Amino acid sequence: EPEVTQTPSHQVTQMGQEVILRCVPISNHLYFYWYRQILGQKVEFLVSFYNNEISEKSEIFDDQFSVERPDGSNFTLKIRSTKLEDSAMYFCASSAGELAVYNEQFFGPGTRLTVL
Amino acid sequence: AQSVTQPDIHITVSEGASLELRCNYSYGATPYLFWYVQSPGQGLQLLLKYFSGDTLVQGIKGFEAEFKRSQSSFNLRKPSVHWSDAAEYFCAVGASHGNKLVFGAGTILRVKS
Repeated sequence: EPEVTQTPSHQVTQMGQEVILRCVPISNHLYFYWYRQILGQKVEFLVSFYNNEISEKSEIFDDQFSVERPDGSNFTLKIRSTKLEDSAMYFCASSAGELAVYNEQFFGPGTRLTVL
Repeated sequence: AQSVTQPDIHITVSEGASLELRCNYSYGATPYLFWYVQSPGQGLQLLLKYFSGDTLVQGIKGFEAEFKRSQSSFNLRKPSVHWSDAAEYFCAVGASHGNKLVFGAGTILRVKS
């Protein structure tokens, strides 16, 4: 069964460093997402991406964040200069179509980011 | 703005007992509602969803959920819990347009034998 994969499973970094979180969405999916969950808090939407453009982003997704689909298979989230409050579990998801109610979002297992 | 509340952070049930996980939502229009489950080391898996029609929806793994507009609730139920159901469960609401999901904080289910 196709699945979304994410690497690494755990990333530890120093405050101020750049990190890139990687995701391989399901191969025929067209819509890609990043969510995050700070420990003990809700899963929060960060950004959605379609046709090589951001289609929606939350207020969390500021200039420190960027997303890219560098090739036909990977989807990345870059945090340019990490802060302590960026420590969270980051989930990648993909779907075949746009509307969540008709197109299931398939989630990866997450990358736990720890900023020291 | 949409929001979701899951009042129970942890729930422990005995194997074979019935289960109900609570979810309350806030959304101005007709909500699109989802339940996801996350087992350790796994991604979030969709259990079921509601967007219209019959207010009692059936999902995978023997789960069901009932949409109650008057109570703004979408509680998840299972008549007999198995040890393999131990996981974290997330309720989510989707907007009528777009693809953003708004999640609750999750409920961790423990199953005791």
